[in-house]
Order: sequence, then C-alpha cells, then structure tokens
Amino acid sequence: AQTVTQSQPEMSVQEAETVTLSCTYDTSESDYYLFWYKQPPSRQMILVIRQEAYKQQNATENRFSVNFQKAAKSFSLKISDSQLGDAAMYFCAYKNGANSKLTFGKGITLSVRP
Amino acid sequence: NAGVMQNPRHLVRRRGQEARLRCSPMKGHSHVYWYRQLPEEGLKFMVYLQKENIIDESGMPKERFSAEFPKEGPSILRIQQVVRGDSAAYFCASSPMSGFLRNQPQHFGDGTRLSIL
Repeated sequence: AQTVTQSQPEMSVQEAETVTLSCTYDTSESDYYLFWYKQPPSRQMILVIRQEAYKQQNATENRFSVNFQKAAKSFSLKISDSQLGDAAMYFCAYKNGANSKLTFGKGITLSVRP
Repeated sequence: NAGVMQNPRHLVRRRGQEARLRCSPMKGHSHVYWYRQLPEEGLKFMVYLQKENIIDESGMPKERFSAEFPKEGPSILRIQQVVRGDSAAYFCASSPMSGFLRNQPQHFGDGTRLSIL
C-alpha cells in the first residue's frame, strides 16, 4: 500500500522569508501524481501545486515550487516570500495513476511570523 | 458558485441517531469521493462513486456507513446509529472523469463537521 509521510508536525517562518516543507512517500508504482493541499483555519482544502511523476521538471506556481526527487521518493514544497496568508496546515498527497483515491500525509502546521 | 457544495456545514447528532451528509459535485464532474478527517489528522479516503455506481469503498467502515450517488441529485454519505468516534470533518471531492484526464486534481468542498453528543 502507498504511504505518505510528513515527519515535521510544525514549522515557523518569518514573513518574506523562504520555507521548505518535507514529504516522502512509498510506492512501487511508476505512474503516479503528487499534490500539495493547503487547509487554512476555514478548513477549505485548496490545491497548491501538483507534479506528475513522469515529468522531470519540478512544478512551480508563482511563489510555490516543489523539489521532486523520484529516486529518493521525496516531494518537498518551497514557499518563497512567505506571507501571513500562507499560515495554514499543508498536506502532501499521492494518487496512483490507475487509482483515483488520494492518500494524504498527516499534515504540517505552518505559522508565519510578522 | 460552481464549486463542490456540501451541506450542512455543521451537523449535531446524539448517539444512536442517523447522520446524512450531502455533496453536489462541480458542474461537469461525474466522480465523487468522500474523505474523513479526524482532529489533527490528514484526510482518509472512504469511498469513490460515479453516478449509480460504487467504484471503490475500500476505506468505508464495514458497518453503519453507506454512500450513494443517484442518477439525479447529490451524493449522500449516511451514517446510522452514530457513536462518539464518528465525530469528524467529512469532505467531499469531485473530478471530471478518469482515463486520460486522470491527472486532473480533485476539487474539494468545504466539508461537514459532524459532532456527536
């Protein structure tokens, strides 16, 4: 079975600084997709960024980028120029190419210091 | 609002009652997923449905829980004879289809917070 591990329960970053959130996963599949979701206090689940395993290029979305290391099964999220609105729980998620369900990590709480 | 709609946002039930949670997928989406989030935990997959079909229910508890997605109307997650341990946030997500669009992300509703007294 696939597993997703987020070993850091909490992180803190100074406003305008850069922070990296870690995620590792375990799978024997070659076709899969990885996602980072943000959950603010309002509890919405907001898609931040996604990565297809077959793509070597790391995905980027404005201030958000990933470091996808396929051999190491690592998928970290980098947030540049952190803003107060970035404070939230962040979940790493995995989806098998042939299976539609998402497998989530336990999440990490990110706080942003003004 | 063309997003995934869940209602109610909050639901309070006493032990032994039934809880019904509703989810209307995004327009054009035919696949619905239900997830449960316990406090301080990530979301756990429960069930995946298409119209009138359950595709994957590997995450559903064997008893008291059922789900449907009828031809007309929203998807319903039903919990019979609720217990304290059912208290959680229940999220619904939808996607357009599988196949060549299988990399399309799931779009989530705002969730239903179920509290059992």
